[in-house]
This record gives sequence, structure tokens and C-alpha cells, in this order.
Amino acid sequence: DQQVKQNSPSLSVQEGRISILNCDYTNSMFDYFLWYKKYPAEGPTFLISISSIKDKNEDGRFTVFLNKSAKHLSLHIVPSQPGDSAVYFCAARQGAQKLVFGQGTRLTINP
Amino acid sequence: DTGVSQDPRHKITKRGQNVTFRCDPISEHNRLYWYRQTLGQGPEFLTYFQNEAQLEKSRLLSDRFSAERPKGSFSTLEIQRTEQGDSAMYLCASSLEFSNRPYEQYFGPGTRLTVT
Repeated sequence: DQQVKQNSPSLSVQEGRISILNCDYTNSMFDYFLWYKKYPAEGPTFLISISSIKDKNEDGRFTVFLNKSAKHLSLHIVPSQPGDSAVYFCAARQGAQKLVFGQGTRLTINP
Repeated sequence: DTGVSQDPRHKITKRGQNVTFRCDPISEHNRLYWYRQTLGQGPEFLTYFQNEAQLEKSRLLSDRFSAERPKGSFSTLEIQRTEQGDSAMYLCASSLEFSNRPYEQYFGPGTRLTVT
């Protein structure tokens, strides 16, 4: 029962362009959504979050959009930089504190 | 402000042996979580502590797994009689209950367990 899904295992984007990573969820009781970035041999690093009562949150080059009716969120990175190459995980908070993660999308930024 | 630390970073053990991992959260964080991540998957929740109390356990946490946080600071995760299926990255995270964003969890580098 995969409650959070990232259907694209990988994404390749040219440096300077926009990267759009997508995430779908099934549980309407999730109240917060988070994006994490992971480099090899490191733990996930928190990037940005959004409350379920909002539809957009922006932090520098990173913007997260939430479409509750479609149960869909996306992370936009503009402009994309080589250091953005990593695996990105979408996560949702369930219950008091548990985070439910998607499978991840590997983003590669090409020079 | 040091981040979450985990020890060891790598552990290779033979099937049937017991292993113990340690996690030191961010110093003022009173909530601590353990997750497991296998290849090609996102982290999966195992258990959660608020201070020294273990408040939630996943069904993934079989009887061979036990976690403790005796003084509400560091935590240990023990796996008894390891099996090859236990091979994974074990991640620890922490958060602060009384902050304006208590839902944000900060992860350590993980302990990679290989059971041979």
C-alpha cells in the first residue's frame, strides 16, 4: 500500500533550466508535506515543506506546489544547478509524527 | 549546532549475530525516530520516541528489533539474530516538539548494515 508515490525514477535537466519533480498521494489525512534531498552515503537533507492548507511555498530557488483536489504536489527548482544532482524524496506526515516517503526521483543536472 | 550523528556508519555481520546501532540527536530535540531504507525505496518508519517514551512502533519492527532511549537523549537500535533481509540503511532523525515547525525531521548519515 504505497500512500506516497513518485512515478518518475529519474529526471535529466539542463543546467539553468527548470526541474520539476512530481509526487502523488492517496491519504487525504496527511497534514504536512516535505521534500528531502539525498546524496550518496548521506542521510536525507530537509529542503522545503508545505502545510495541507496552503497551495504554494517558496524558498529561494525551490518552490513547492500542492493541489489537494488532485492529491498531487510538485517541487520546482529554478534555475537548476549541477549541485542539485541528487535523489529527491517526497514525504507526508501521517498521524502524530510519522513521515511516509515516496520511492525517490534521481535528478541529474547536465552542464 | 551539530547535526544528528549515528555510529557506526557501516556494519558487516554474519547471519544470526546481534548488532546495536547508536543515534545522537540534535541536542535540544526531544523527538527521535528510526527509519529503514532499502535499495530503490524511500525510508520506512520503524519507531518514534518522545523524550524517553517509545510512542509508536511500526509492524516492520519484529520481535527481533528493540529500541531504547533511556535518558531521553541518545537512542540505540538492537537487532537480534540478524537475517539477510535485515540488510539496509538504518536512519535516525530528530525534531523539536515545541517549535514553529515540529513536523520537520532532521536525519543523520545512517548506518549501513550488511548481513552475510
